[in-house]
Amino acid sequence: GQNIDQPTEMTATEGAIVQINCTYQTSGFNGLFWYQQHAGEAPTFLSYNVLDGLEEKGRFSSFLSRSKGYSYLLLKELQMKDSASYLCAVRARSYSGAGSYQLTFGKGTKLSVIP
Amino acid sequence: DAGITQSPRHKVTETGTPVTLRCHQTENHRYMYWYRQDPGHGLRLIHYSYGVKDTDKGEVSDGYSVSRSKTEDFLLTLESATSSQTSVYFCAISESTGGSANTQYFGPGTRLLVL
Repeated sequence: GQNIDQPTEMTATEGAIVQINCTYQTSGFNGLFWYQQHAGEAPTFLSYNVLDGLEEKGRFSSFLSRSKGYSYLLLKELQMKDSASYLCAVRARSYSGAGSYQLTFGKGTKLSVIP
Repeated sequence: DAGITQSPRHKVTETGTPVTLRCHQTENHRYMYWYRQDPGHGLRLIHYSYGVKDTDKGEVSDGYSVSRSKTEDFLLTLESATSSQTSVYFCAISESTGGSANTQYFGPGTRLLVL
């Protein structure tokens, strides 16, 4: 099985930087995804890491350390619209069906941005 | 945004009745997925499809069946709905299962209430 842990809730101030951590334990690791989900809406794709290191995309960056089973999502210059849940998802080999890769999601981190 | 629609968007039904949810895509992606999202559990995979008439079970498949007779449509059926199946159901699609092409894109969701 797989185990993915991320903080339940975080609060940060508008204009600041926040780091959302995700730790995982899995076999057959093949990538890590971050999604953003506003209340009442669908998850939307933010970033993908498969190799160690930092991936930067505008105000958002994501880091992966495969040896430590650790990732973080870094949000810079926080805006009120960044208030949302952030979902960490690990892709690993599925040994059923087509032998494809499947995503397992963490429970999500609810980020509140305050003025 | 990926062309994914779900119907109905909201449904209230009674325990013991059959319910079918539809996911429709216009992207011609091979892989389609059904998830449910519940407080405290995050997104959990119910069933997925890796081609027309090719489906397999996910983590929480009991009480659910699926069918895929066309590339663009993936149906989720609750044969006899129970209150424990009250949830938000998301459909997702991906082009492949390898590399960044495995990125899953989500439909808008269906809110199901079983009384």
